Amino acid sequence: LAKTTQPISMDSYEGQEVNITCSHNNIATNDYITWYQQFPSQGPRFIIQGYKTKVTNEVASLFIPADRKSSTLSLPRVSLSDTAVYYCLVGGKAAGNKLTFGGGTRVLVKP
Amino acid sequence: DAGVIQSPRHEVTEMGQEVTLRCKPISGHNSLFWYRQTMMRGLELLIYFNNNVPIDDSGMPEDRFSAKMPNASFSTLKIQPSEPRDSAVYFCASSPQAGVSTDTQYFGPGTRLTVL
Repeated sequence: LAKTTQPISMDSYEGQEVNITCSHNNIATNDYITWYQQFPSQGPRFIIQGYKTKVTNEVASLFIPADRKSSTLSLPRVSLSDTAVYYCLVGGKAAGNKLTFGGGTRVLVKP
Repeated sequence: DAGVIQSPRHEVTEMGQEVTLRCKPISGHNSLFWYRQTMMRGLELLIYFNNNVPIDDSGMPEDRFSAKMPNASFSTLKIQPSEPRDSAVYFCASSPQAGVSTDTQYFGPGTRLTVL
């Protein structure tokens, strides 16, 4: 399983863009990159998933360079309610694969 | 859809007692996962089922833990006997496709277990 490394914590202010970079140097050819968000006292929630280049949805954007050894989750114009832990996961679609949650990045949005 | 349902939401018990956590996955989902979350160890996958069959239980800490999925709409995680170090939040999650790790997992609200 590909190991991921991401910052332990980040602080930001309301209205700013938050970028969280995840390193996954040994990502396999069939691996996808998935991000989950976890609010206090709740279970994680899927945010976005991608394989290469850029993916955007109503919540976030995911940037993946050509070598795929890292990825960056971008949260535009954060609000206080975006304070959460963000997890980067790497895994493939092959049967039997499972996702492993690392320590995540604790994002604190300040007023 | 009500989402993944877990019960109880909170459980306080004494060391040595049996604890049973329950989960109802989203209807139509074919995979079910049990996770444990603590401050020290983060979010750990304990076991997962595909089509009601246990696929990987390598995360189950020891023989005191057991999980069953008698049908597609119900699963239990049992700890017998419980110990204080089992105190954690236990999450159940389900996903639509069986055996596809990239499939979105939908988490329940969790059961906060405290073993005194």
